Amino acid sequence: GENVEQHPSTLSVQEGDSAVIKCTYSDSASNYFPWYKQELGKRPQLIIDIRSNVGEKKDQRIAVTLNKTAKHFSLHITETQPEDSAVYFCAARNTGTASKLTFGTGTRLQVTL
Amino acid sequence: DSGVTQTPKHLITATGQRVTLRCSPRSGDLSVYWYQQSLDQGLQFLIQYYNGEERAKGNILERFSAQQFPDLHSELNLSSLELGDSALYFCASSVVSASYNEQFFGPGTRLTVL
Repeated sequence: GENVEQHPSTLSVQEGDSAVIKCTYSDSASNYFPWYKQELGKRPQLIIDIRSNVGEKKDQRIAVTLNKTAKHFSLHITETQPEDSAVYFCAARNTGTASKLTFGTGTRLQVTL
Repeated sequence: DSGVTQTPKHLITATGQRVTLRCSPRSGDLSVYWYQQSLDQGLQFLIQYYNGEERAKGNILERFSAQQFPDLHSELNLSSLELGDSALYFCASSVVSASYNEQFFGPGTRLTVL
């Protein structure tokens, strides 16, 4: 089955700096890669996703890149703000009949003033 | 608010007991997924139902079972509870089983086993 690895497990950046979180996946058939943000005690919420036919996608301060050959994808947050502090999860899904998401282990991002 | 509801919000019970967690998906969503999140852990996929039928199984213990009813709500049953079962249990739903449809998560049920 699919295996998703995520690094780093914790990340501390100063407000205004950029943050990058990286994930690798094992199943070459995976073709959908969402990123979820989870604030403390809250539900995970989708912040951006990318399909395998696209190499990069951007939404304001957030961008995701995908390298299918290397089987890795990354989340980039620019001009970080304190409200970006949360746990971020990457995930991969093979759109077969099951289409379940396999999540990475999460990255705790702390944006300091 | 994602449109996915879960009850109860909190549940405190003792070891050996049995509990039922309930999830109502977003209107129109046919797929329901259950996840377990232990303290400082990631999201572990448990099981998926699509239109009443089990579609995929993850790391679900034999003591756990689930079902999806004709009205598409789902229940996760946890029995012979152990201390290690204490966790946040999330339900998510999506429109269809395949394709790129986003999974919307409910607020979760926090289970504490004493």
